[in-house]
Order: sequence, then C-alpha cells, then structure tokens
Amino acid sequence: EAQVTQNPRYLITVTGKKLTVTCSQNMNHEYMSWYRQDPGLGLRQIYYSMNVEVTDKGDVPEGYKVSRKEKRNFPLILESPSPNQTSLYFCASSPIPGLGNQPQHFGDGTRLSIL
Amino acid sequence: AQTVTQSQPEMSVQEAETVTLSCTYDTSENNYYLFWYKQPPSRQMILVIRQEAYKQQNATENRFSVNFQKAAKSFSLKISDSQLGDTAMYFCAFASQGGSEKLVFGKGTKLTVNP
Repeated sequence: EAQVTQNPRYLITVTGKKLTVTCSQNMNHEYMSWYRQDPGLGLRQIYYSMNVEVTDKGDVPEGYKVSRKEKRNFPLILESPSPNQTSLYFCASSPIPGLGNQPQHFGDGTRLSIL
Repeated sequence: AQTVTQSQPEMSVQEAETVTLSCTYDTSENNYYLFWYKQPPSRQMILVIRQEAYKQQNATENRFSVNFQKAAKSFSLKISDSQLGDTAMYFCAFASQGGSEKLVFGKGTKLTVNP
C-alpha cells in the first residue's frame, strides 16, 4: 500500500529536549515536505526536499532542521524545542517536482506538545 | 508571494442540501494549480479536487465541483447532496507551475453537516 508514514503520532516533551519526527514514504517519490498546522493559520511549509541531499527552507523554518540522506526518508529535527513549536505536523511527498501534476500524499500527522 | 484567503471560518449545512465554500487567491502568475483538501476529525489530509488554471472547464468529482473564475481569482467548492461524512475542515491551496515547490494553504473552513 502506497503511504507516507510518520512517527510518532503523538509526543509530549519538555523544552530543550532534542526530538526527531521520522517520515518515510514507499512510493519512490523525489519530493518531500514538512508542514505545521496551527488553529486559524492553516498549514505552513517548514522545509522541503526536491531529491536526495537537496533541501530548502519553506515559510517557517526557524527552529527546525531536516536531512535527506535517502530518498524514502525525510526526518524533521527539533534541536531545542520550545513551546511555540507545539503544533500538528504533516509530512508529504509527491512523485516529481511539478506539484500541480502530481498532488502530494500526506502522512497522518504528528501531534507535538512542548511543555 | 501568493496568498490564499478563505473568508468563512465556519459553515453549516443540512444533510442532503448544497453548500458552497469560498476561496480567493492572489498571484501574478498565469499558470498554476488550485486544490481543495478535506481534513476530517481523523486529521488526514485528503485531496478532494484539483483545477489547472489553463483549463476553462470547471473540475468535478462526484458530488464535489468547483467554480473557477480566473479573472476574479476565485475558486469556490460546491458540495451537493451533503452527507454527514462531509463534516470536516476544508482547505483551499495554491501551487505554482514549476519553480517554488510548495502548497500555499488558506486558513480553512470548518464545515458541519447537520442531520
């Protein structure tokens, strides 16, 4: 089954404790992206990757890191989480650059709470 | 930069009736793509319908159709014969044709279908 898998689905942690949210896709997609969703703000892009070893900032990259060492994986790293990073996070992928022709597949989301 | 505006934070409709969700956007581009995504309480992001800007014909997917007015930069979603399962957040989104590979989302409209 074609899917984007995020882990964990839920996480409660404390300020300053490094965490990683994993994202893996089994569709051999080149493009992957991370979004955060906050009430009243919709989804905003954090980082995206056009292919292995190619990453770029989205609209709200501050406080986040990503890496793309393998095509299937695109982890989101919070080196020193803060309460303002409490949010719902989505990973997404699509087959080729050119978003309109190949709409993104989304993971099921990760609810992060930073105390 | 592109922006997407959904002016209706919340809407409700009776089961079996028709409802229209509004979306306007701002861009200087001529070729682009527009989407409606549905997010039910399960939090999944589900693509409902997609429209290519170069196509004059409005997209239709079963009970879902759009009214795309390119000159007015308007992209409304019409849901016919509303069902209880249509209760969800609905997000309008914009994607450029090539170039920046990201979806720009509106803030969402919460739709409730009442029995």
